[in-house]
Amino acid sequence: EAGVVQSPRYKIIEKKQPVAFWCNPISGHNTLYWYLQNLGQGPELLIRYENEEAVDDSQLPKDRFSAERLKGVDSTLKIQPAELGDSAVYLCASSPSRGYNEQFFGPGTRLTVL
Amino acid sequence: KQEVTQIPAALSVPEGENLVLNCSFTDSAIYNLQWFRQDPGKGLTSLLLIQSSQREQTSGRLNASLDKSSGRSTLYIAASQPGDSATYLCAFNTDKLIFGTGTRLQVFP
Repeated sequence: EAGVVQSPRYKIIEKKQPVAFWCNPISGHNTLYWYLQNLGQGPELLIRYENEEAVDDSQLPKDRFSAERLKGVDSTLKIQPAELGDSAVYLCASSPSRGYNEQFFGPGTRLTVL
Repeated sequence: KQEVTQIPAALSVPEGENLVLNCSFTDSAIYNLQWFRQDPGKGLTSLLLIQSSQREQTSGRLNASLDKSSGRSTLYIAASQPGDSATYLCAFNTDKLIFGTGTRLQVFP
C-alpha cells in the first residue's frame, strides 16, 4: 500500500513569488492534515480536512495561505506571496478518520524562500 | 496552552545501551499518544500509538508507556543500534497532534 505522497520534495523561490504544494493521502483516509515544521521544532497544524471540509484552519495565516481538497482526496496548499519566514518543511498527514486513529506522514516539502 | 516537553533534548550513547526517552504533556483529555522517528531531511515515521485507555504498547525493541494521570509517556529502546540514530518526537492527539521538540539520539558503534 502506498503511503502519503507529496510533491515537490524541494522548492526554492524568491520572496513575493507564489508556491503550491500537493499531497495525496493514503487511499481511503478521510482526514487530511497539513503541518508546518520549522528547523529544530516539532510540526504544528495548519489545517485539517474531514473529506472536503476544512474543519480546523485556525492556525492557517489566511492573508497569504490557502488550501483546498475539492474532491475529498488529494489536497493543495498555496502561499501567495511567499515571505522569507515561510522557509520551512510542509508536511502532509492522513488518517482513516478523526481523533482516535494513527496519523501517517508524507516525506514533506522543504521550502526555501530567498 | 497545550504543551509537550521532551527530555533529554539530545542523547549520545554507545551501541548496546538501553535507553529511556521522556515525554510530558499538559492536557489529560487526549485521544491517544504517538511516538515518531524523524531522520534528517525526512518525514515522520510512526513508531507506536497508545490509545488513552491503554497503558503501553510494544513493537520489537521499542516499548512505550502512557500515564494520563501524571501526563507522562516514556519510550524505552532496548539494545540500541547505530541505525536507531534519529530524532524521536512524541505527540498527543486531541483531534490534532501537539508535538514536542524531540530528542536527538546518536548511537555510536
